[in-house]
Amino acid sequence: AQSVTQLGSHVSVSEGALVLLRCNYSSSVPPYLFWYVQYPNQGLQLLLKYTSAATLVKGINGFEAEFKKSETSFHLTKPSAHMSDAAEYFCAVIPNSGNTPLVFGKGTRLSVIA
Amino acid sequence: NAGVMQNPRHLVRRRGQEARLRCSPMKGHSHVYWYRQLPEEGLKFMVYLQKENIIDESGMPKERFSAEFPKEGPSILRIQQVVRGDSAAYFCASSPSGLQSYGYTFGSGTRLTVV
Repeated sequence: AQSVTQLGSHVSVSEGALVLLRCNYSSSVPPYLFWYVQYPNQGLQLLLKYTSAATLVKGINGFEAEFKKSETSFHLTKPSAHMSDAAEYFCAVIPNSGNTPLVFGKGTRLSVIA
Repeated sequence: NAGVMQNPRHLVRRRGQEARLRCSPMKGHSHVYWYRQLPEEGLKFMVYLQKENIIDESGMPKERFSAEFPKEGPSILRIQQVVRGDSAAYFCASSPSGLQSYGYTFGSGTRLTVV
């Protein structure tokens, strides 16, 4: 079954530093991929999604992700971290490029240090 | 335009009791998904419903768990005879169509604690 792997359950960066959260998918065909953010005690909010259009996807709050088929990756980046970016981030995939519900990675908790 | 509404936000049940979790999708959304979140495990899919139909329940435990989405009213996730292992955050999401590439809108979740 198709899945996503998020490398690093916890990432810590300094305020103003580059944010890089890693996501790799397992698929022989390009899937649909998503990044969601979860702030404490809240639900998940869609940051961005890849649906086979442009490989560089821009999302909300200054985040972007690049789809790299050769690396089966969809890493999330932001040039300069802000304190308000501290949250948990989830990568998700539609299995089998079909019409079945999203499968989520285990999440990466981002801490931002002043 | 209210988002996905879940209630209660927090629910405490003793072992053996029943838990009923409610989810009202966004206006205009007729597809509802339930996920369970355990610490360090991410979100696990449980069930996908459309009005009056269960589309996919492959993630739902066979015993004690059931879900419905009636023609009128919210979607209900029901857990009978709760056990401590049922303690988790349960999230509901909705979408306007069955096209998964659209993405979902999530509610704020119900945090179930079984004592």
